[in-house]
Amino acid sequence: GAVVSQHPSWVICKSGTSVKIECRSLDFQATTMFWYRQFPKQSLMLMATSNEGSKATYEQGVEKDKFLINHASLTLSTLTVTSAHPEDSSFYICSAPAGLAAYNEQFFGPGTRLTVL
Amino acid sequence: DAKTTQPPSMDCAEGRAANLPCNHSTISGNEYVYWYRQIHSQGPQYIIHGLKNNETNEMASLIITEDRKSSTLILPHATLRDTAVYYCIVRYTGTASKLTFGTGTRLQVTL
Repeated sequence: GAVVSQHPSWVICKSGTSVKIECRSLDFQATTMFWYRQFPKQSLMLMATSNEGSKATYEQGVEKDKFLINHASLTLSTLTVTSAHPEDSSFYICSAPAGLAAYNEQFFGPGTRLTVL
Repeated sequence: DAKTTQPPSMDCAEGRAANLPCNHSTISGNEYVYWYRQIHSQGPQYIIHGLKNNETNEMASLIITEDRKSSTLILPHATLRDTAVYYCIVRYTGTASKLTFGTGTRLQVTL
């Protein structure tokens, strides 16, 4: 199946700093990628849809100025958590649909664990 | 997308079949049923999907009732490595491909 990678796999940062998380589709092109956040013992919550060459679409309640998304190429989307605070500590996961079929399956990255001190 | 209801947890003995139910009584005609699983601290993994016919692949079987209001994911011979949270998701086949995760079923496979 298609492979999606994320970098870094984990990161620890100080409060107030910004952190960039990369999501790459390794063997396919993705015009759309999705970013999720998962708190401990909770389900995945969709944050935003990343669109190559255009602005991201954010879910209700997600601050677009805090979670900056850039989809610069067909294989790379980045999520930047700006001015991170301890409450932003979470597991961030990206996904991308593979193939052009409308019912295509999505492939998920391994996730990035962010800890803000 | 239609909502789904799953039991919060289930246990299964290793080597036995694990049958995970999902209710999706408000599913519409062009919505597919998808199953994903998430092993602890990893990204979700696609398992199987279907529209109205039963489906089988190397990982599992998906049984969808005739009225499509419920489905069952079957892991024929569960192993310890199948311990995970299993998510049943119903969605349209539109290009948005957005997946909305519910709370899922935590399957614990035991010796």
